[in-house]
Amino acid sequence: EVQLVESGGGLVQPGGSLRLSCVASGFISVYEMNWVRQAPGKGLEWVSYSSSGGTTTYYADSVKGRFTISRDNAKNSLYLQMNSLRAEDTAVYYCTRSTDYYDKGGGYYWGQGTLVTVSS
Amino acid sequence: DIVMTQFPDSLAVSLGERATINCKSSQSILYSSNNKNYLAWYQQKPGQPPKLLIYWAYTRESGVPDRFSGSGSGTDFTLTISSLQAEDVAVYYCHQYYITPHTFGQGTKLEIK
Repeated sequence: EVQLVESGGGLVQPGGSLRLSCVASGFISVYEMNWVRQAPGKGLEWVSYSSSGGTTTYYADSVKGRFTISRDNAKNSLYLQMNSLRAEDTAVYYCTRSTDYYDKGGGYYWGQGTLVTVSS
Repeated sequence: DIVMTQFPDSLAVSLGERATINCKSSQSILYSSNNKNYLAWYQQKPGQPPKLLIYWAYTRESGVPDRFSGSGSGTDFTLTISSLQAEDVAVYYCHQYYITPHTFGQGTKLEIK
């Protein structure tokens, strides 16, 4: 069973920074990983993508230039550095892993999520 | 961006009856080189993360009851629950992972009639 555990969420003021972490129970080195967020009472919004090796990354327009995805495959870990945070970034942030090996895509397995609240 | 539109937004079905949720993508998510539709379905219950039910449009995730099935190709997809159980009350999302941004439908809330 795939287990993903996020951490690093919390309350931050507008303009502040946070770094989210996600640790997987097994190896992630051959899987694509993503961050997805869900604002309170809202639907799901994809945030960022990392290829298995970390060399290819993509971002939603809403976070481009402010968020950075990275990974340490040796530690089975995925990260999201969030800078210049805004009120509209308030959400539960989920770490996800794709079902298929070697960047072939697939559906997502999800962690439990970590809540980020941006407020003064 | 590919827009995913689900319908209906909400659905009430009697226990033991069939529930059908539809999802339409604004462009084809069928990759011709491998003949795969880059579509997944998730179930989300209150206070829980989404749970993967179906991927590649019709591949059921291990452990998911066989009353859940996915169908469709190209731009039109369906999630069917053949005999609704009380534990199936949830919000259901479709999701395309064909190209980034990987977009989701707005969700369909399924309730018991």
